[in-house]
Amino acid sequence: GAVVSQHPSWVICKSGTSVKIECRSLDFQATTMFWYRQFPKQSLMLMATSNEGSKATYEQGVEKDKFLINHASLTLSTLTVTSAHPEDSSFYICSAGDYYKANTGELFFGEGSRLTVL
Amino acid sequence: GQQVMQIPQYQHVQEGEDFTTYCNSSTTLSNIQWYKQRPGGHPVFLIQLVKSGEVKKQKRLTFQFGEAKKNSSLHITATQTTDVGTYFCAAVQGGSEKLVFGKGTKLTVNP
Repeated sequence: GAVVSQHPSWVICKSGTSVKIECRSLDFQATTMFWYRQFPKQSLMLMATSNEGSKATYEQGVEKDKFLINHASLTLSTLTVTSAHPEDSSFYICSAGDYYKANTGELFFGEGSRLTVL
Repeated sequence: GQQVMQIPQYQHVQEGEDFTTYCNSSTTLSNIQWYKQRPGGHPVFLIQLVKSGEVKKQKRLTFQFGEAKKNSSLHITATQTTDVGTYFCAAVQGGSEKLVFGKGTKLTVNP
């Protein structure tokens, strides 16, 4: 199947700093990528849809100034958590669909990035 | 927006017992997908169901899509310890590519 790579896998930062997470589609082009957030023992919550070459679409309740998304190329989307606070600590996962190769609608997920804000 | 309700939230079984998780929606779904997430891992696609009344099998896993396309189930026959993880159903939010996940069912298997 298609491969989505996410980096970093783990990040620990001090409160008030910003953290950037990268999501790359390694063997296909993704005009759309999705960013999810998962709290311990909970489901995946869609945060935003990242659109290549245009602004991201944020879900209700997600602060766009807090979670900056940039989708500058067909293979890379980045999520920057600005001025991180302990309540931002979570598991962030990106996903993308290879709609040309897989007509199943399958989404391929990155490995996830676990953010801990001290 | 589209919501899928999934039950049970947790299921603990003895190895060899069967397991079923259910997903329900108040609206008709165009399709439904199932994912498995191992502890500490990321979701991995299992299957997509599209047709009304569809039944698909993958070895010991049986997936069903209801006739009204409002509910779905995943049944595992004779569970093994390798089946441990959280199983999520997910549905596309109408008119978009966005996938909305159910809360998941966490399966633990006693050897």
